[in-house]
Amino acid sequence: GAGVSQSPSNKVTEKGKDVELRCDPISGHTALYWYRQRLGQGLEFLIYFQGNSAPDKSGLPSDRFSAERTGESVSTLTIQRTQQEDSAVYLCASSSLMTTEAFFGQGTRLTVV
Amino acid sequence: GENVEQHPSTLSVQEGDSAVIKCTYSDSASNYFPWYKQELGKRPQLIIDIRSNVGEKKDQRIAVTLNKTAKHFSLHITETQPEDSAVYFCAAMGRNTTSGTYKYIFGTGTRLKVLA
Repeated sequence: GAGVSQSPSNKVTEKGKDVELRCDPISGHTALYWYRQRLGQGLEFLIYFQGNSAPDKSGLPSDRFSAERTGESVSTLTIQRTQQEDSAVYLCASSSLMTTEAFFGQGTRLTVV
Repeated sequence: GENVEQHPSTLSVQEGDSAVIKCTYSDSASNYFPWYKQELGKRPQLIIDIRSNVGEKKDQRIAVTLNKTAKHFSLHITETQPEDSAVYFCAAMGRNTTSGTYKYIFGTGTRLKVLA
């Protein structure tokens, strides 16, 4: 596709349920980032992929959060046993080594009720 | 760990005035410094960037300056217009020479309001 695509756009889930968020990066982009943005707040780094390996997972807030990436393609962010404080917009971005500019997806708005 | 601080968190200016947002970074290996604009409900989009071998870059009403010695960089918007109202994020990216990987660290954002 032409840009970074995330799905779903919106997700409402009950507390305690698991959710999976998906990111389709721009084709050929080796680097992929996940960020969390709470309402009116900044971009909180979660995890970074280079290819399908994750050299930096330092931002994952707890062991309820995990992410994986298939090759240099799709990534999924999984949140287990969701809590209300997980409510936020989850943004994915990708970049290539050549351009370095990070292109963002439109985000997934997660609401835990 | 790496850190990027951004100030101010909010900024109100009169239309036509200039706005300046400042960032400092901690990782001396950082060599790429982009600025993103995020309008309400939309994704962040790149507006200007600068690399470590350049001290200043300008694009129409927007300019960015970089001081590598002091590890700070700034965004300057001149002749502000209401459509400049948005949240602006700075970022620093550096390459880990051991692992060969890159990492973006973002500032906390500045909410700019341009008053008509």
